[in-house]
Amino acid sequence: DQQVKQNSPSLSVQEGRISILNCDYTNSMFDYFLWYKKYPAEGPTFLISISSIKDKNEDGRFTVFLNKSAKHLSLHIVPSQPGDSAVYFCAASVAVKAAGNKLTFGGGTRVLVKP
Amino acid sequence: DGGITQSPKYLFRKEGQNVTLSCEQNLNHDAMYWYRQDPGQGLRLIYYSQIVNDFQKGDIAEGYSVSREKKESFPLTVTSAQKNPTAFYLCASMGAGGWTGELFFGEGSRLTVL
Repeated sequence: DQQVKQNSPSLSVQEGRISILNCDYTNSMFDYFLWYKKYPAEGPTFLISISSIKDKNEDGRFTVFLNKSAKHLSLHIVPSQPGDSAVYFCAASVAVKAAGNKLTFGGGTRVLVKP
Repeated sequence: DGGITQSPKYLFRKEGQNVTLSCEQNLNHDAMYWYRQDPGQGLRLIYYSQIVNDFQKGDIAEGYSVSREKKESFPLTVTSAQKNPTAFYLCASMGAGGWTGELFFGEGSRLTVL
């Protein structure tokens, strides 16, 4: 049973336009959410995170939105650049040490930004 | 430079053989993790360790074993009991200073069973 789902396996967008990546979760205990970016044959790198006490977090071109009632979060990249072409993973966690500090990942969305 | 080093980067194994993947970190992080990546399935947690000499099973621990004898090291053994070991394996660590949620990943090890 996948607790974190990214229903779009791929996304193609023109350079300069907005990329919107979506993520849904089922576990209502999750209260901390992260996005990671991964290039081929490399480890993922942390991009941006959001706590459940917020509904938006912004860092430069990247904004994450959280809708707790819908158990949905999204990552907006504006403007999209060719270097943003990568696989993006959504991850969720219960932010207490007793839970083991574990992250549960979605299946990833491959983004291709066309020049 | 601080970071996580995984070795080897590529590994081939015959069926029935055990193989050990190395993971070393010099970030002074307490918690370490092993994830497996398969196409379209994201990252799945194999084992994790929050402190030296202690570790817990993740979601797909069957056929794997780990040890945590030193803070810096968290090797993963893929045993012959693992039915589908061909995958990309990622080691990660997390800092001790409160909850950040941020995992630092190594560059991964690709295991292919022939």
